Amino acid sequence: DAGITQSPRHKVTETGTPVTLRCHQTENHRYMYWYRQDPGHGLRLIHYSYGVKDTDKGEVSDGYSVSRSKTEDFLLTLESATSSQTSVYFCAIRRGATYYEQYFGPGTRLTVT
Amino acid sequence: QQQVKQSPQSLIVQKGGIPIINCAYENTAFDYFPWYQQFPGKGPALLIAIRPDVSEKKEGRFTISFNKSAKQFSLHIMDSQPGDSATYFCAASMSNAGKSTFGDGTTLTVKP
Repeated sequence: DAGITQSPRHKVTETGTPVTLRCHQTENHRYMYWYRQDPGHGLRLIHYSYGVKDTDKGEVSDGYSVSRSKTEDFLLTLESATSSQTSVYFCAIRRGATYYEQYFGPGTRLTVT
Repeated sequence: QQQVKQSPQSLIVQKGGIPIINCAYENTAFDYFPWYQQFPGKGPALLIAIRPDVSEKKEGRFTISFNKSAKQFSLHIMDSQPGDSATYFCAASMSNAGKSTFGDGTTLTVKP
């Protein structure tokens, strides 16, 4: 257990509404990540953070924004949700310095109708 | 551009068989290669990892084989069990970069 929680765990929302997903960690790790997982696409990186207020884009960042005002919390916002953003979203933290692995949260299943 | 290619997409074996999942990478700057296991409804979990200065690593029934010259690595599961049925992801990372690259995953089914 890497001390990662995600909220909400399930959410159904309507097209065009903003949605915020929260990732919370208890171990004070510097790096945090947001991925989406879709059938046939594996894990795709949306955004990641390497410190408070320090974030960078991943490969599928369009339509998403992130914020990290505290070490323990990393928020993912869908500015105006679309049906193509229906997915399972995973948060992860990084353990290790030079050689590292990622530890994932339990996921949030988001459905945009 | 997919930097880590994983195959096969799905795999079915009988209990006791040895499933093999293969990954190939392009960027020689990658210097760490973890594997993750994911059960339905759960997040991926670290299974085993290897550095390119090692050709093989074993942890229990799981073995990684690494071929640096071919830029390929593979996961072998010895004496596979139905409880090993899951999706497996390979990944590659660079020690001076903040993010990893994942393969697309392999869904393994072990029949009793």
